[in-house]
Amino acid sequence: DAKTTQPPSMDCAEGRAANLPCNHSTISGNEYVYWYRQIHSQGPQYIIHGLKNNETNEMASLIITEDRKSSTLILPHATLRDTAVYYCIVRGTNSGGSNYKLTFGKGTLLTVNP
Amino acid sequence: DAGVIQSPRHEVTEMGQEVTLRCKPISGHNSLFWYRQTMMRGLELLIYFNNNVPIDDSGMPEDRFSAKMPNASFSTLKIQPSEPRDSAVYFCASRGEDRYYGYTFGSGTRLTVV
Repeated sequence: DAKTTQPPSMDCAEGRAANLPCNHSTISGNEYVYWYRQIHSQGPQYIIHGLKNNETNEMASLIITEDRKSSTLILPHATLRDTAVYYCIVRGTNSGGSNYKLTFGKGTLLTVNP
Repeated sequence: DAGVIQSPRHEVTEMGQEVTLRCKPISGHNSLFWYRQTMMRGLELLIYFNNNVPIDDSGMPEDRFSAKMPNASFSTLKIQPSEPRDSAVYFCASRGEDRYYGYTFGSGTRLTVV
């Protein structure tokens, strides 16, 4: 799986948009970008995933650059409960090989301040 | 849906004792994963089951660790004998047939070996 690079920490004011960047310059054509988050003392929570088109769901939006070498997770109106470690993961989804694996890096600690 | 259910939530045991962690995946999910999380090493995949069959146990640290999935609704991770360095949070996750979708994690078992 391609390696990802994320800033170790970010701050955001409550009510403002949180934009979390991720670099994945070695991503290959069949690899998806996944985002998870882990709130303190809880298990990781799936947020969103995408291949090359921008995606939006009830939790967040995912913007993937045209060359697919980077992406941004957007929380449109951050709340205090969004304080968590956010993980960007690149994973293939073909049935063969080790594409079932989710390999977690260190992620970005997002702190939402009142 | 009750989600992925893990038990116990907390376990404190003495070095040398046997420890058994339990997991009930989401009904209908056919993939199950055991992860371990420590401050030093982050989240590590220990073992992956598909349709109750262990597919990849390369992450299991040593022979003291064993995992079973006797049926689609139950899995165990056993450590015998336990050591202080096994202290960690152990997460179970499951996923359905759609391999593009994200995993659902349980709340974890915090294991302390003294």
